[in-house]
Amino acid sequence: GQNIDQPTEMTATEGAIVQINCTYQTSGFNGLFWYQQHAGEAPTFLSYNVLDGLEEKGRFSSFLSRSKGYSYLLLKELQMKDSASYLCAVRDRNDYKLSFGAGTTVTVRA
Amino acid sequence: DAGVIQSPRHEVTEMGQEVTLRCKPISGHNSLFWYRQTMMRGLELLIYFNNNVPIDDSGMPEDRFSAKMPNASFSTLKIQPSEPRDSAVYFCASPGGLAGGVNEQFFGPGTRLTVL
Repeated sequence: GQNIDQPTEMTATEGAIVQINCTYQTSGFNGLFWYQQHAGEAPTFLSYNVLDGLEEKGRFSSFLSRSKGYSYLLLKELQMKDSASYLCAVRDRNDYKLSFGAGTTVTVRA
Repeated sequence: DAGVIQSPRHEVTEMGQEVTLRCKPISGHNSLFWYRQTMMRGLELLIYFNNNVPIDDSGMPEDRFSAKMPNASFSTLKIQPSEPRDSAVYFCASPGGLAGGVNEQFFGPGTRLTVL
């Protein structure tokens, strides 16, 4: 099984940086995903890490440490449109199956 | 490609009625996932198909729920009889592919089910 933990809520100011942490304890591991979900919409893919280290994609970066069972999503230069829920998900070893955390609701204030 | 297509987008029904949710996955990929999302339980995997065969249905809540994938371009999730606690958003997801070979899952727009 999978146990995935992330904070419930975070609030930040427009233009600032926010870091969303995710810890996991899993029976198998074949990659960690971050998804963004705006209210009333479907989750959309943001990033993927399978090796240790930092993956940068524009204003968003994601970090993974497999030995620590830890990842974070870093959102820089926050914009109002970044207000959303951010879901951490771990892929099982052998297939496409994803287990999702409960999500972190980020609120960006002016 | 239009992405993952789900229908209906909204469904309101009365307790005891049969509900059928439909999904058309991204063409060319032979895996499909059904998820359910509620405030209390978050996003839960219900069932996973590969090559049209159910591989893991451990997330299906009970016998009232059933899913089929008769071919690579269509799947249904059926609830019979429906109960108020089944009210949720049901997502269908299909693996896609990026240039790096990462098979992330593309989600359909979801069906918001309300059982009165």
